[in-house]
Amino acid sequence: DAMVIQNPRYQVTQFGKPVTLSCSQTLNHNVMYWYQQKSSQAPKLLFHYYDKDFNNEADTPDNFQSRRPNTSFCFLDIRSPGLGDAAMYLCATSRPTGATEAFFGQGTRLTVV
Amino acid sequence: AQSVTQPDIHITVSEGASLELRCNYSYGATPYLFWYVQSPGQGLQLLLKYFSGDTLVQGIKGFEAEFKRSQSSFNLRKPSVHWSDAAEYFCAVGAAGNKLTFGGGTRVLVKP
Repeated sequence: DAMVIQNPRYQVTQFGKPVTLSCSQTLNHNVMYWYQQKSSQAPKLLFHYYDKDFNNEADTPDNFQSRRPNTSFCFLDIRSPGLGDAAMYLCATSRPTGATEAFFGQGTRLTVV
Repeated sequence: AQSVTQPDIHITVSEGASLELRCNYSYGATPYLFWYVQSPGQGLQLLLKYFSGDTLVQGIKGFEAEFKRSQSSFNLRKPSVHWSDAAEYFCAVGAAGNKLTFGGGTRVLVKP
């Protein structure tokens, strides 16, 4: 089945140690998104790619970066994770315009120790 | 800027009883509206969506929602809940490029 896959499902990293989360999709969608969801909160959009065009949300910290080497893959890099970055990170994809829905992966739960 | 409000943080319902989750949105144009469900430690699963047309939309798992433009609402309903419906439910509005703005979520507990 076509889907959005996130790896790993659980990631433990040390305070200040760079970490990369990955997302892949078989839907061939142009748009890929990264959301951050802290405990008991709503998902919050960090940034998205429209093809190779990167779009950062205004309040996304500089500590968060992203790469999209091709249509299928997108990475979230956290350069120096702090305790406040512990969260569920959700990747989603969609077609670019019009009446369409976003398809979400299962998420990566990041723990910072 | 768009926003979504889910007034109820928690709802407890007995198995077999009906369920209604409230959602109010603020958006400058015709909204794309969604309801997602999230089980603990899982991603988001789409229950239903509204783009245009019939204001009563049917979704998966027996859920439906009604779009009321005059009230800026998109409430989710299910006539008879099952224990497996215990989860967190998020209402969302889609902007250009389908960036989603989510409400704060409603956690549903189902009593036997």
